[in-house]
Amino acid sequence: KQEVTQIPAALSVPEGENLVLNCSFTDSAIYNLQWFRQDPGKGLTSLLLIQSSQREQTSGRLNASLDKSSGRSTLYIAASQPGDSATYLCAVMSGSRLTFGEGTQLTVNP
Amino acid sequence: NAGVTQTPKFQVLKTGQSMTLQCAQDMNHNSMYWYRQDPGMGLRLIYYSASEGTTDKGEVPNGYNVSRLNKREFSLRLESAAPSQTSVYFCASSEEFWGGNYGYTFGSGTRLTVV
Repeated sequence: KQEVTQIPAALSVPEGENLVLNCSFTDSAIYNLQWFRQDPGKGLTSLLLIQSSQREQTSGRLNASLDKSSGRSTLYIAASQPGDSATYLCAVMSGSRLTFGEGTQLTVNP
Repeated sequence: NAGVTQTPKFQVLKTGQSMTLQCAQDMNHNSMYWYRQDPGMGLRLIYYSASEGTTDKGEVPNGYNVSRLNKREFSLRLESAAPSQTSVYFCASSEEFWGGNYGYTFGSGTRLTVV
């Protein structure tokens, strides 16, 4: 059974700092990995999708990497802003299932 | 460009009442899903539908039924609501290719309270 772990569970940083969120998964036979953002009381917004054949994806200040062999992904956020405050979820597609981690709650302080 | 639309956004039920959560997507995706999100347990798959006319159980299907009405719509029914079904429910859709998919799109959620 696929298990996804996200570390840290919560992170508080000052505005402008570069930061890294970590995601690990137990079964490396994945189709893809997707990073989502969830604001309080809201739905999930897709940030980046990395297919199993890819090593990284970039969108603006966000960069996600994937190392299938070690079962790890990182989400790098450059020059963080208060508007980046949210919960970030990592989800892995394997078999016919999407398995989620429990998320990292990020607070960026002005 | 609506994506995935869920109704209602909020609902309060009494124990034993029934209701149907509606979901529709306008992206012509083949696959649709229902998840529930609970504190400390993350998102868990209730049911999914890989194509029109097919449905399969996910991780936590007990107490729920689903209907894939057509390619656009996938509904979730609670026949006799229980307090344990208090949760936030998310519908999602995706388009597959051989060996993977193009990522999931989620609706904004239905916040259900059973008293």
